[in-house]
Amino acid sequence: AAGVIQSPRHLIKEKRETATLKCYPIPRHDTVYWYQQGPGQDPQFLISFYEKMQSDKGSIPDRFSAQQFSDYHSELNMSSLELGDSALYFCASSFIGGADFLSEGFGQGTRLTVV
Amino acid sequence: AQKVTQAQTEISVVEKEDVTLDCVYETRDTTYYLFWYKQPPSGELVFLIRRNSFDEQNEISGRYSWNFQKSTSSFNFTITASQVVDSAVYFCALSDFLRGGYNKLIFGAGTRLAVHP
Repeated sequence: AAGVIQSPRHLIKEKRETATLKCYPIPRHDTVYWYQQGPGQDPQFLISFYEKMQSDKGSIPDRFSAQQFSDYHSELNMSSLELGDSALYFCASSFIGGADFLSEGFGQGTRLTVV
Repeated sequence: AQKVTQAQTEISVVEKEDVTLDCVYETRDTTYYLFWYKQPPSGELVFLIRRNSFDEQNEISGRYSWNFQKSTSSFNFTITASQVVDSAVYFCALSDFLRGGYNKLIFGAGTRLAVHP
């Protein structure tokens, strides 16, 4: 079965640069979640989108923005990168629309290294 | 506020031992979901189980079993006859119920399991 696809898998950027991470949800899923996992930490929720509208917001820095497009894929844009932004970024998707919601899953993650 | 506590930071066992990973959660919601994920050294999050708050039936899947007890707000995970390949970080997570499905996940700090030959 198709899973959540994230790209790129690895990304190296310099301080103050900009990075864009992409997430392609499981087909028919209408909700996308972004999480950030620092070294040795648990994943922390950043932001989510339902039907292309922001549905919830966590501890996402103002330097970060995200959106969900008409084909339901999502992009996380990070500007003025800092060393502390180095982390694994996960995307997850789900279908919220009734009792028959599909199983969830996480993408394989994007490992961002800021140097 | 929702919270998940995994008190065991690291566990070390020898192969074939049974091991139980503890998870205690806090929530004011009556409807919620609990999850376990495995994160091997390669970094991906592998979904193991989802349980909703109305289903307290214990579940067994091969060498894995889960014990959900609402009375103690616990959702413990047991690996029977552990193997080296079980070495990973295990996360317990909680989600409330939203629009007919689950919401964002609140993770515990994780338990690092090391299984030695």
